[in-house]
Amino acid sequence: DSGVTQTPKHLITATGQRVTLRCSPRSGDLSVYWYQQSLDQGLQFLIQYYNGEERAKGNILERFSAQQFPDLHSELNLSSLELGDSALYFCASSARPAGWPTDTQYFGPGTRLTVL
Amino acid sequence: DAKTTQPPSMDCAEGRAANLPCNHSTISGNEYVYWYRQIHSQGPQYIIHGLKNNETNEMASLIITEDRKSSTLILPHATLRDTAVYYCIVRGDTGTASKLTFGTGTRLQVTL
Repeated sequence: DSGVTQTPKHLITATGQRVTLRCSPRSGDLSVYWYQQSLDQGLQFLIQYYNGEERAKGNILERFSAQQFPDLHSELNLSSLELGDSALYFCASSARPAGWPTDTQYFGPGTRLTVL
Repeated sequence: DAKTTQPPSMDCAEGRAANLPCNHSTISGNEYVYWYRQIHSQGPQYIIHGLKNNETNEMASLIITEDRKSSTLILPHATLRDTAVYYCIVRGDTGTASKLTFGTGTRLQVTL
């Protein structure tokens, strides 16, 4: 158990809909990262927050957005869903701000999103 | 971050050591080598990391060559539960970003 929690575990929805994925980091961790894992793209970095502020963006679509709240939990919002958004979405947390190469990220169990 | 090359798959008998190689010939002086694994569709699990010295923890050992162009992750006594995809990641100080760049990894199959 990494200490990172994600809800829900599974989510099934229809195209065009909007969903919210939730992540609670390990106790004391200030950085939250979101990753997407699809069959054809592998694990890809989406976005990072540190202590409530966006720090880095990866291959995140404009239809997707995220935020980190004062209690440090984070939410990933996916809107206008398409079939291709079906994937595993992982959240990871780490203790330090961005820029520390020894800052180990610990991953949650993921949310499996299925868009029908 | 430097690119890594790993064999797509490996087999290992249970109880034997599993040695997973990784090439990172373009690694620079301030970049670390990280290893994660992913069992089935679970979240990636951190294993170990190192800069230039060999490292050991309760899960594995990491051997980095002197020129740092390659490394080997060693699982000393592999069990069936070690069957997973193992990712070697080179990661440095990228300023404001600390993302992990996952490649395709090595699928390790541990058999009886």
